[in-house]
Amino acid sequence: EAGVTQFPSHSVIEKGQTVTLRCDPISGHDNLYWYRRVMGKEIKFLLHFVKESKQDESGMPNNRFLAERTGGTYSTLKVQPAELEDSGVYFCASSLSLGRGRRELFFGEGSRLTVL
Amino acid sequence: AQSVTQLDSQVPVFEEAPVELRCNYSSSVSVYLFWYVQYPNQGLQLLLKYLSGSTLVKGINGFEAEFNKSQTSFHLRKPSVHISDTAEYFCAVQETSGSRLTFGEGTQLTVNP
Repeated sequence: EAGVTQFPSHSVIEKGQTVTLRCDPISGHDNLYWYRRVMGKEIKFLLHFVKESKQDESGMPNNRFLAERTGGTYSTLKVQPAELEDSGVYFCASSLSLGRGRRELFFGEGSRLTVL
Repeated sequence: AQSVTQLDSQVPVFEEAPVELRCNYSSSVSVYLFWYVQYPNQGLQLLLKYLSGSTLVKGINGFEAEFNKSQTSFHLRKPSVHISDTAEYFCAVQETSGSRLTFGEGTQLTVNP
């Protein structure tokens, strides 16, 4: 079974440009999450989808970030326009329902974003 | 709100030595506890988790952790490390009523020959 896949693995763009990151969760996982790690700091929550609905987007830093999850399958995270402080590694994770004993989030390898 | 503190950012050890990676957390509500590991050029992988029951939890690759409620700690241990254990380790908490994880800043474990 394929794991969580993210694309691209690394993106280098200039300040002011737009970047779109994509995440394909594990098939059948209704829950999809985006996290970000900036400059070797802690990994921080951005938002949580349940199927195609945004369950919690309280971690999104500002309105330059837009996340979508079409049809409850893959998700995209667009940064427009990108700023220097957006550089970091963006992780996607997915999980099954959150019943007891089913708490594991499966993470992708991350998309490294460098804004110059 | 929750917070997680990993007390050591870097832990260098020699092969076959024991290791302990420390994690303390703060939360006003009940939480579940996790350790994730990130090997070079890979994603985060679950090492072990504490949901309830025995406070000593065993995970993959010979790691174990002990939940101490009074100390609000969840330290990770391994009695004898291998070169292949070199990785970054993350402690995380999750509200029992929620889903988002709150991570610590990570501990880089480097095992030297």
